[in-house]
Amino acid sequence: EAGVVQSPRYKIIEKKQPVAFWCNPISGHNTLYWYLQNLGQGPELLIRYENEEAVDDSQLPKDRFSAERLKGVDSTLKIQPAELGDSAVYLCASSRGSGGQETQYFGPGTRLLVL
Amino acid sequence: SQQGEEDPQALSIQEGENATMNCSYKTSINNLQWYRQNSGRGLVHLILIRSNEREKHSGRLRVTLDTSKKSSSLLITASQAADTASYFCATAWTGGFKTIFGAGTRLFVKA
Repeated sequence: EAGVVQSPRYKIIEKKQPVAFWCNPISGHNTLYWYLQNLGQGPELLIRYENEEAVDDSQLPKDRFSAERLKGVDSTLKIQPAELGDSAVYLCASSRGSGGQETQYFGPGTRLLVL
Repeated sequence: SQQGEEDPQALSIQEGENATMNCSYKTSINNLQWYRQNSGRGLVHLILIRSNEREKHSGRLRVTLDTSKKSSSLLITASQAADTASYFCATAWTGGFKTIFGAGTRLFVKA
């Protein structure tokens, strides 16, 4: 089966510019996750969707970050405006079950550099 | 914090040797998972061990779980250069609906 697809793989923008990341989960996976990973650290959850509902967005900085998962399949994560501290890798993952404690399948990530 | 903490932070061994990484956590868990991340790639799931299990094997991987000590270990036997990666433990704590990742152990296997 095809894995989790993310695009773009790399993005360089200037601060205060908007940026968007796209994720296509594994077919049939109801749960989708967005993580932020800083250099030398583990992934930190930003938001978790079960189908089209955001069930955990407690760690999402809502003043500048937004996400959507229309029709419960693909998802987009947006940052507007971007800040220097947003430079990181943004990972998308999906899992078949719900509850946030199942095996997760990760995409390759989008590496963001904010100048 | 419920986050698992891996030990050591970094490990360098010769090809053919065994590598052991440890994970400690603070709260009761439903399961604990180990993931591998090669440089510049996404994470790959290795093993999930449930709170009522004590040991699991997968190929050259052996995971143990001691809930009384709130710790887990990942053993990679007969390491290969391709095992060079970062290894993360992820804890799914009871009373929560998320899996929390530690900061990882960086393993370097010298050929």
